Amino acid sequence: DSGVTQTPKHLITATGQRVTLRCSPRSGDLSVYWYQQSLDQGLQFLIQYYNGEERAKGNILERFSAQQFPDLHSELNLSSLELGDSALYFCASSVGDRTYNEQFFGPGTRLTVL
Amino acid sequence: AQRVTQPEKLLSVFKGAPVELKCNYSYSGSPELFWYVQYSRQRLQLLLRHISRESIKGFTADLNKGETSFHLKKPFAQEEDSAMYYCALTRYGGSQGNLIFGKGTKLSVKP
Repeated sequence: DSGVTQTPKHLITATGQRVTLRCSPRSGDLSVYWYQQSLDQGLQFLIQYYNGEERAKGNILERFSAQQFPDLHSELNLSSLELGDSALYFCASSVGDRTYNEQFFGPGTRLTVL
Repeated sequence: AQRVTQPEKLLSVFKGAPVELKCNYSYSGSPELFWYVQYSRQRLQLLLRHISRESIKGFTADLNKGETSFHLKKPFAQEEDSAMYYCALTRYGGSQGNLIFGKGTKLSVKP
């Protein structure tokens, strides 16, 4: 599959714990975006990386951090987890970072915090 | 505040009927608008963007800056159009990073 991949598909953990979500962009895409989708907030942009550098930041909590590695895959780290962090986390990628570059979404990682 | 509003959570129509999914926005600058779609068990994908001014799968959307709207329309709905539709915006000509999404409208097309 040459599309965006995300691992794991599902993650169940407890409050106070730390997890890492992984995203591999489409081949050739330099830009990676992270989104959080929850029932009450909808789909919210968290952060964007382009070729290893942070490019844009949304409403990302300080407990959350991300990075993009030299091979262009990205990881989203969520720490001191709270019940409210339970959500679907999407990764998307695009060739460039301009509005005319279509974003391709991954299948998402469903995080459940108990 | 920058915001995208999709007033209908659910829209149900019969096959062959016209469909209009509403999207209103609030944005201080010059916006670029998109419609994304998620079919059952598939990934979220771009349907169309206002700047392209094209028709995709029979859907069109016109940006109305006066009414700050970007409604999605199709004259004759098909069952395969049943999906979740999201309106989104960002700053025109800028980075896509700050895509702001509406909460989505679930379209159900009945046979």
